[in-house]
Amino acid sequence: AQSVTQPDIHITVSEGASLELRCNYSYGATPYLFWYVQSPGQGLQLLLKYFSGDTLVQGIKGFEAEFKRSQSSFNLRKPSVHWSDAAEYFCAVGYNNDMRFGAGTRLTVKP
Amino acid sequence: DAGVIQSPRHEVTEMGQEVTLRCKPISGHNSLFWYRQTMMRGLELLIYFNNNVPIDDSGMPEDRFSAKMPNASFSTLKIQPSEPRDSAVYFCASRPGQGAWEQYFGPGTRLTVT
Repeated sequence: AQSVTQPDIHITVSEGASLELRCNYSYGATPYLFWYVQSPGQGLQLLLKYFSGDTLVQGIKGFEAEFKRSQSSFNLRKPSVHWSDAAEYFCAVGYNNDMRFGAGTRLTVKP
Repeated sequence: DAGVIQSPRHEVTEMGQEVTLRCKPISGHNSLFWYRQTMMRGLELLIYFNNNVPIDDSGMPEDRFSAKMPNASFSTLKIQPSEPRDSAVYFCASRPGQGAWEQYFGPGTRLTVT
């Protein structure tokens, strides 16, 4: 069955530390891939997207993500986390005119 | 651009009352989506429209839920009668059109049914 999996429900990192949020998908072909961020009380904001081409994509707020076809993954990374990055992060997959969101990963940033 | 606009931002109502949520998509976008977000079920797609036509309403939970898009700049999601289990945050999102996959979300309406 088609699915989007974010294995980590909650992650805590120290400010200034690096971050990697995992996303795996299960689809018949390479879908379109997205990462969104949701701050408390806000809607979802698009961080970055992958359609084709270079497998390392840059987004806003210093985030990047790497598409790995062999692993069916699209992990989100940031080299140095800021306290303002504390939020919920959603991976999303678009395929065949459909779009599915993962369950989300909540990021807590320690001072 | 003002982005996707939703109203009201907060709604508190009593069980059995009718609730209407409103959405204005980004101008020029021709796809519109309604989502519901809860702690238990996460983000669920309720219904989406292409060019004002409902394409997939399989996510609408019950007949108590209905959605309309009378024109390209306005959509409503109605719950009648409302129940406490409908309490959630309801998001509207719009998308530019065919070939453009990214969706742009509104700030959401937090609905509380007592």
